[in-house]
Amino acid sequence: GNSVTQMEGPVTLSEEAFLTINCTYTATGYPSLFWYVQYPGEGLQLLLKATKADDKGSNKGFEATYRKETTSFHLEKGSVQVSDSAVYFCALTTRRANQGGKLIFGQGTELSVKP
Amino acid sequence: EAGVAQSPRYKIIEKRQSVAFWCNPISGHATLYWYQQILGQGPKLLIQFQNNGVVDDSQLPKDRFSAERLKGVDSTLKIQPAKLEDSAVYLCASSRREDTQYFGPGTRLTVL
Repeated sequence: GNSVTQMEGPVTLSEEAFLTINCTYTATGYPSLFWYVQYPGEGLQLLLKATKADDKGSNKGFEATYRKETTSFHLEKGSVQVSDSAVYFCALTTRRANQGGKLIFGQGTELSVKP
Repeated sequence: EAGVAQSPRYKIIEKRQSVAFWCNPISGHATLYWYQQILGQGPKLLIQFQNNGVVDDSQLPKDRFSAERLKGVDSTLKIQPAKLEDSAVYLCASSRREDTQYFGPGTRLTVL
């Protein structure tokens, strides 16, 4: 079946450090891949997405590249800020014609950035 | 554009009681989803509606959970009777006929 595996947290970094959160997936067909972020006390927000192999999603300084050969979608940011402290979820959806597909999430990775 | 609205934000009940959650999706979004997020885990789909028809309810515990989406807009998720293991955040999301789903703030349910 389809599944997503993320690196375990919590991840603690100093401000301006480089961030990588690993995400690998198992899926049939050609999934779309997503990173969602959940700030304390808030709902899930879409951070970025990629819909086909070699696509790079980017937003707010975060990037992730859809790697079909390694079935990965690692999240990176060159310089994190305290305000990036949140829980990050990697997710996939398999396409259905004319229908949104359900999202399958990883377990989430908590990021804590210290000043 | 207004986001996905959910109410209540928090609910505490005793086991074996009933509870209902309400969701109002983004205007024009035909697809509506209910997810359950247990503490420390990623959200898991309970049910997906396309307009007012059910597309996927394979993960919905139908002996105690029910959901409806009358008129293809608002939706209600009900649990009757609640169990301790139902303590979770219940998230509603909506989308157009494409991939991106937009989430509401969620309802945090505590079952004592």
